[in-house]
Amino acid sequence: KNEVEQSPQNLTAQEGEFITINCSYSVGISALHWLQQHPGGGIVSLFMLSSGKKKHGRLIATINIQEKHSSLHITASHPRDSAVYICAVRPFMVVNKFYFGSGTKLNVKP
Amino acid sequence: EAQVTQNPRYLITVTGKKLTVTCSQNMNHEYMSWYRQDPGLGLRQIYYSMNVEVTDKGDVPEGYKVSRKEKRNFPLILESPSPNQTSLYFCASGSFRDTEAFFGQGTRLTVV
Repeated sequence: KNEVEQSPQNLTAQEGEFITINCSYSVGISALHWLQQHPGGGIVSLFMLSSGKKKHGRLIATINIQEKHSSLHITASHPRDSAVYICAVRPFMVVNKFYFGSGTKLNVKP
Repeated sequence: EAQVTQNPRYLITVTGKKLTVTCSQNMNHEYMSWYRQDPGLGLRQIYYSMNVEVTDKGDVPEGYKVSRKEKRNFPLILESPSPNQTSLYFCASGSFRDTEAFFGQGTRLTVV
């Protein structure tokens, strides 16, 4: 059973397109993270959300706690955005682990 | 700068040769954890630590050991590596006071 589901698994876009990646989860959470993993392998935390919406440059992350759903949007996508994006949730009252989505592989073509 | 530092970034070794992957954080975080990432399986927790001298098994602990003698360091030890431990390994740390989390850059291990 997967506590976190992401869609789509793979996404190809043209440079400049608006991109949305979705994450649904089935457990109560204290926080949700959006992570970025470039082909070199390192993981960077883009956002941590417990409610509402956050924006950083061209990236916007939203979360709806009642619906147990989060979205990551990329406006004016660029080839350097090509990476794997991973949704991770920290379960409520469980401090020792995250549940991870399987990731969305994004390829932005010039 | 707040960060989690893993070493080495890349390692190729032979079956049975003991190795240690180091993880260090500079944020005074109580919680640290090791994950491995494999194609089709995603990220799976190996071991975690809630504080100094407090460690526990995650989902896939077989073949691994850890120690937490100091708050900042959480090394992952493979006493006798085998090819099925070829993977990408990540260390993570976090605080119980808030829900922020930081990840290391990853260690790509190949066991031949």
